[in-house]
Amino acid sequence: EDKVVQSPLSLVVHEGDTVTLNCSYEVTNFRSLLWYKQEKKAPTFLFMLTSSGIEKKSGRLSSILDKKELFSILNITATQTGDSAVYLCAVPHGSSNTGKLIFGQGTTLQVKP
Amino acid sequence: KAGVTQTPRYLIKTRGQQVTLSCSPISGHRSVSWYQQTPGQGLQFLFEYFSETQRNKGNFPGRFSGRQFSNSRSEMNVSTLELGDSALYLCASSLAYPDTQYFGPGTRLTVL
Repeated sequence: EDKVVQSPLSLVVHEGDTVTLNCSYEVTNFRSLLWYKQEKKAPTFLFMLTSSGIEKKSGRLSSILDKKELFSILNITATQTGDSAVYLCAVPHGSSNTGKLIFGQGTTLQVKP
Repeated sequence: KAGVTQTPRYLIKTRGQQVTLSCSPISGHRSVSWYQQTPGQGLQFLFEYFSETQRNKGNFPGRFSGRQFSNSRSEMNVSTLELGDSALYLCASSLAYPDTQYFGPGTRLTVL
């Protein structure tokens, strides 16, 4: 059964800190791994990763995938209070080429001033 | 480009009633997926529609159903509501290749 596990489940840091969020997965026929940020309502798309070792960056956020060890990390440098959110990791269901995403439990990040 | 829209944003119903939620995808997106989000279970896949056909279905009872229209707009229906159906219902759309899904703001359903 396809599975996504995120750690830690929650994290409290202070502004300026760097954080690393983890996502491990087990899925048949891996295609991609996605990261989303959810503040109040809609999850907002951050990154889609398909290849090992290639870092994707957007401002202070970056992410990398390790297909051999079956995990991904999301790094946030110089955190700001606006980074406070739930960060979700997801993989497409492996056995069918359809829009079924399997989500992890999420990591709740709180950035204190 | 307008994002995914969902209506209504909030709903309060009582047990036994039924409810219909609506989702309009991003223009040009043909795939629409529905998810239920609760504090205990997180985000769980309900079903996905592509070109008016249900392409995949999650592990939810038959009380949960959906459909997609020719303009890609989608509706989901929940009949005989139960207290446990209280949740945030999220709709997501994507182009033909389904992986990168863009989510709408959700409909918060409360069942009393």
